[in-house]
Amino acid sequence: DAGVTQSPTHLIKTRGQQVTLRCSPKSGHDTVSWYQQALGQGPQFIFQYYEEEERQRGNFPDRFSGHQFPNYSSELNVNALLLGDSALYLCASSLRTGGKTTNEKLFFGSGTQLSVL
Amino acid sequence: AQTVTQSQPEMSVQEAETVTLSCTYDTSESDYYLFWYKQPPSRQMILVIRQEAYKQQNATENRFSVNFQKAAKSFSLKISDSQLGDAAMYFCAYRSARLTGANSKLTFGKGITLSVRP
Repeated sequence: DAGVTQSPTHLIKTRGQQVTLRCSPKSGHDTVSWYQQALGQGPQFIFQYYEEEERQRGNFPDRFSGHQFPNYSSELNVNALLLGDSALYLCASSLRTGGKTTNEKLFFGSGTQLSVL
Repeated sequence: AQTVTQSQPEMSVQEAETVTLSCTYDTSESDYYLFWYKQPPSRQMILVIRQEAYKQQNATENRFSVNFQKAAKSFSLKISDSQLGDAAMYFCAYRSARLTGANSKLTFGKGITLSVRP
């Protein structure tokens, strides 16, 4: 059973460019969350997708956008890259039970390391 | 807003010894979940242990146990019989238990780097 897979594992971009990161959730999971982990920091919540809609969003600018596909996979897009966007981007998947999310267990991928030069 | 604080950036423990990692949090909610995650060099976040705030009993998973002090808003992790494979970054995290679509968000602390001396 494949866990959460993310691609690519590493990416180098220059300021002002746009980037797309991809995530395939664990088999059977329907909810995907994205986190940004800067060097030496804990992950920070970007947003969550369920039923192809953004359900919750953290304190990130509109340059950060996402999408969820019918097969539950997800993309994170970042426009107009800044040096400060350099970080590890983690995807986590879970399964909602009865529309509620109080008790689901999150499974994380190994992340995409984004470097902005 | 909830906050999670891990004030120790680094800790070291001798193999086979016991180590305790500290975490404090701040919230106005009464029902929530607390977690400890391990992040090895592979970068994947691995759930170590979970505590439900309404439960008095401290959670235990094999060599890992917590000391949950709800009134003090403290949530420490004790690792017994430390092994070389325990070396990693450890993150404390909080999640609300409110029955809304917004309760899946995890709030993490800054983490602590644990090294294990052979």
